[in-house]
Amino acid sequence: DADVTQTPRNRITKTGKRIMLECSQTKGHDRMYWYRQDPGLGLRLIYYSFDVKDINKGEISDGYSVSRQAQAKFSLSLESAIPNQTALYFCATSLAGPLNEQFFGPGTRLTVL
Amino acid sequence: EDQVTQSPEALRLQEGESSSLNCSYTVSGLRGLFWYRQDPGKGPEFLFTLYSAGEEKEKERLKATLTKKESFLHITAPKPEDSATYLCAVKYGGSQGNLIFGKGTKLSVKP
Repeated sequence: DADVTQTPRNRITKTGKRIMLECSQTKGHDRMYWYRQDPGLGLRLIYYSFDVKDINKGEISDGYSVSRQAQAKFSLSLESAIPNQTALYFCATSLAGPLNEQFFGPGTRLTVL
Repeated sequence: EDQVTQSPEALRLQEGESSSLNCSYTVSGLRGLFWYRQDPGKGPEFLFTLYSAGEEKEKERLKATLTKKESFLHITAPKPEDSATYLCAVKYGGSQGNLIFGKGTKLSVKP
């Protein structure tokens, strides 16, 4: 089945460490997104990419960077993790155009100690 | 000020007790309103897209409606398996094609 996968599913790290979260999709979608979800704050957009050469900052990009290695792969990096980056992280994909509902991966639970 | 507001934050129902969840929005130039279901520890699952006022969509016990200012997700005769957090999101002219999410309504259905 066409799907969105995320690795790792759970990660515990220490303050100051560099960490990468990976997202892969077999849906053939051009657009990919990274969100974080915090209790009481909902889903907030970190970065989005409309194709391999088009990467854009979202609402809360500070402290994060991304890499779109291929149409199917979109990675999120925390260069120097801090405790308030502890959250659930979701990758999503969509087709281009106004009818583009987003399809979400299963999430990565990140804890920064 | 939040652009998308969902109410109530939490809702507890008995099995079979119908109710509605609300999503109000203040953006202009709405391109689409999206409903998702999210189970604990999982990614949101797409339910519906609504594009214009007066539009309605149904799926099993769920029915979504849209007006110029808000959307309702009606749940008819809910079952315990309907327990989840329901998320609303909008896409509008100023969102660069991206979704703006509300904070969700957590629904619990007791047998």
